[in-house]
Amino acid sequence: AQKITQTQPGMFVQEKEAVTLDCTYDTSDQSYGLFWYKQPSSGEMIFLIYQGSYDEQNATEGRYSLNFQKARKSANLVISASQLGDSAMYFCAMREGERTGGFKTIFGAGTRLFVKA
Amino acid sequence: ETGVTQSPTHLIKTRGQQVTLRCSSQSGHNTVSWYQQALGQGPQFIFQYYREEENGRGNFPPRFSGLQFPNYSSELNVNALELDDSALYLCASSRGGEQFFGPGTRLTVL
Repeated sequence: AQKITQTQPGMFVQEKEAVTLDCTYDTSDQSYGLFWYKQPSSGEMIFLIYQGSYDEQNATEGRYSLNFQKARKSANLVISASQLGDSAMYFCAMREGERTGGFKTIFGAGTRLFVKA
Repeated sequence: ETGVTQSPTHLIKTRGQQVTLRCSSQSGHNTVSWYQQALGQGPQFIFQYYREEENGRGNFPPRFSGLQFPNYSSELNVNALELDDSALYLCASSRGGEQFFGPGTRLTVL
């Protein structure tokens, strides 16, 4: 059964340091997509980064990079040079269904990141 | 700004009523997905529409239904509202790997 696991309910990081948010997933599909989103207290869901299951290179977007380890079924988000504005809830998500033709996207429970000055 | 808009922003309904939420997708995006996010939880997938056809559904009862129009905008309809339907309803439009969310509609059922 498809599943997304984020084992860190809360994380603290010092401003300007790097932080890794963990995400593991479970799927029987060969073709799937992995996403990371940021949700500040204002509530909007902000797209950060996407990794396709067939992409050989790890995705990067500015200070965000996705450490994709397919064999381990992990898709950790690395934020470099943390800023105070990075304090938010972070969600890992997976979209699958190309094999069955019925698409579904599931989200993890989220990790709340606190950046300390 | 993602280009995805939702209306209304907030809505208050009573149990048993029906509600329609609307979403306009980002230009060029032909897929719309709807999610329910209860307080303190991650979004739960309701369904996805691609070129006016539902092509994916989560574990939501049939009283949650939707439509997608030729311009790729979409509606979420919920009948016979229950107290547990109180949540933030998010729509997301996508094309390929990108998926962008709208600001959401906060629904309160009394």
